[in-house]
Amino acid sequence: AQKVTQTQTSISVMEKTTVTMDCVYETQDSSYFLFWYKQTASGEIVFLIRQDSYKKENATVGHYSLNFQKPKSSIGLIITATQIEDSAVYFCAMREGGGGADRLTFGKGTQLIIQP
Amino acid sequence: DMKVTQMPRYLIKRMGENVLLECGQDMSHETMYWYRQDPGLGLQLIYISYDVDSNSEGDIPKGYRVSRKKREHFSLILDSAKTNQTSVYFCASSFGGANTGQLYFGEGSKLTVL
Repeated sequence: AQKVTQTQTSISVMEKTTVTMDCVYETQDSSYFLFWYKQTASGEIVFLIRQDSYKKENATVGHYSLNFQKPKSSIGLIITATQIEDSAVYFCAMREGGGGADRLTFGKGTQLIIQP
Repeated sequence: DMKVTQMPRYLIKRMGENVLLECGQDMSHETMYWYRQDPGLGLQLIYISYDVDSNSEGDIPKGYRVSRKKREHFSLILDSAKTNQTSVYFCASSFGGANTGQLYFGEGSKLTVL
């Protein structure tokens, strides 16, 4: 069974700095997909970025990037030049490959606080 | 408009009453999900639907059932609600295939069972 672990419960950083949030996963599949989602204080949950396991290049979208370390089963989310509005809870998630699975397993989340 | 809509947003019920949570999406997504979110536990999958009348249990299906009679609509039903079903429920949808996993979430339905 797949498992996703986020060990950092809460992180606080100063505005305009860079922050990394950790995530490790467990899977038996050779093909899998990793995602990060953001939940704002209003409760809204939005997709941020994904990494497909077969891709060696780290994904980047805007000021979000990933640090994919396949041998360590690790997928860190890096936010550069943080802004106040980046304050939110960030969830790591994984989907295993294979037909018909379509199940997304989430970690328990990391709360990010951006200090002005 | 790429939107997932949940109704109602807030609901208070007494133990033993039936609960119907409804979810609609306007993207013709094949796959739809119901999750519940409790403090410190993240998002737990209740049910997943691959298309009309093609539903599958998630990780915590006990006490819940679902209905999907149209692709754009997915309902979560609690028959005889229990106090431990107090939670925030999120509906989500996604395309199937390679884009599965990129979920679009509704705004959540906060259920309180007294």
